[in-house]
Amino acid sequence: AQSVTQLDSQVPVFEEAPVELRCNYSSSVSVYLFWYVQYPNQGLQLLLKYLSGSTLVKGINGFEAEFNKSQTSFHLRKPSVHISDTAEYFCAVTRSSNTGKLIFGQGTTLQVKP
Amino acid sequence: SQTIHQWPATLVQPVGSPLSLECTVEGTSNPNLYWYRQAAGRGLQLLFYSVGIGQISSEVPQNLSASRPQDRQFILSSKKLLLSDSGFYLCAWSVGRGHYGYTFGSGTRLTVV
Repeated sequence: AQSVTQLDSQVPVFEEAPVELRCNYSSSVSVYLFWYVQYPNQGLQLLLKYLSGSTLVKGINGFEAEFNKSQTSFHLRKPSVHISDTAEYFCAVTRSSNTGKLIFGQGTTLQVKP
Repeated sequence: SQTIHQWPATLVQPVGSPLSLECTVEGTSNPNLYWYRQAAGRGLQLLFYSVGIGQISSEVPQNLSASRPQDRQFILSSKKLLLSDSGFYLCAWSVGRGHYGYTFGSGTRLTVV
């Protein structure tokens, strides 16, 4: 079975600083990977996804992530954060061959300070 | 365009009362549908998923049930709520196996008192 570990529950960062949110997954089979963002009391919005091809994936709002198969990681990065990026971020994985059930990590709260 | 509607947005229910949360999708046919629960500080837990009318798969044993009476309608129910049922419930849909991602509803905040 797949699992996802988000290594940091909270990440405080100052505005305009770079940020990296870490995600590791475990799976014995080929997977697809996703990052979602959740603003308070709202649903989740897809930031980016890795299905195949280039390991560097660019998403919305200036975020990008890099798939590293050897390290089973899919870390999310942004070179310069804004106050509006304050939210909870979820990494998710699904097997490439099954019904598409997404397994989510526990989430990382990004707190951008002025 | 496709949209997903989930209601109500908030709900306060006493212990032992029934529950019915509804989710509908517009603009697509034969979507895969999902119910997730998000408890405080615990990420998202998949409760049920459905690949077609009347087809429900349960991921965890619990006090809840789900039904899909129509292609684009997904209902989460309980006969008697427990305190532990409190949480943020999210409905989602995907095309086929969901490899292009899910689209989530805006969620229902359920507080059982």
